[in-house]
Amino acid sequence: AQSVTQPDIHITVSEGASLELRCNYSYGATPYLFWYVQSPGQGLQLLLKYFSGDTLVQGIKGFEAEFKRSQSSFNLRKPSVHWSDAAEYFCAVGGHGQNFVFGPGTRLSVLP
Amino acid sequence: NAGVMQNPRHLVRRRGQEARLRCSPMKGHSHVYWYRQLPEEGLKFMVYLQKENIIDESGMPKERFSAEFPKEGPSILRIQQVVRGDSAAYFCASSLGAENEKLFFGSGTQLSVL
Repeated sequence: AQSVTQPDIHITVSEGASLELRCNYSYGATPYLFWYVQSPGQGLQLLLKYFSGDTLVQGIKGFEAEFKRSQSSFNLRKPSVHWSDAAEYFCAVGGHGQNFVFGPGTRLSVLP
Repeated sequence: NAGVMQNPRHLVRRRGQEARLRCSPMKGHSHVYWYRQLPEEGLKFMVYLQKENIIDESGMPKERFSAEFPKEGPSILRIQQVVRGDSAAYFCASSLGAENEKLFFGSGTQLSVL
């Protein structure tokens, strides 16, 4: 069965610092991988997705993620965090005709 | 160009009452997904519907919960005889097709059971 883990429940970084949010997945075939962001009281917004091809994908708001098949990981990165990036981040895995499975989320706090 | 619309945003019910949550997918989208987000947890898949059909309801509790997506009108998630444990945020998402290319999420309905 597919599953997603996000080892960090809560991360705090200073504004301007770099960020990496971890995501590991378990999936029987080549997965479709996603990162979503959820601001307080809001729905989810897609940051980026990986289907195939280049393993480094660029998303919105300056985020990027790298798919590493050997490590079953899809970590999210940003070189310089802005205060507006404070939110909950969800990694998700899916496949053809399969439903999404979301990780438990990582809450990001940004210090001024 | 409205996105996925969910209403109400907040719903308060007493134990034993019924809760009806509505979701209007994006224009042109015929695939709808319902997720539940419990406090301090991630999103849990509940059900996947296409127009007039339930495709996958493996995440739905066996009792009290039902979902529909009629030919006309919004998708409805219905919870009968609510209990305190049903208190959660319920999110709806829609997609154009079944290829998991992109889900568009609504802002959710926060259900509080007193």
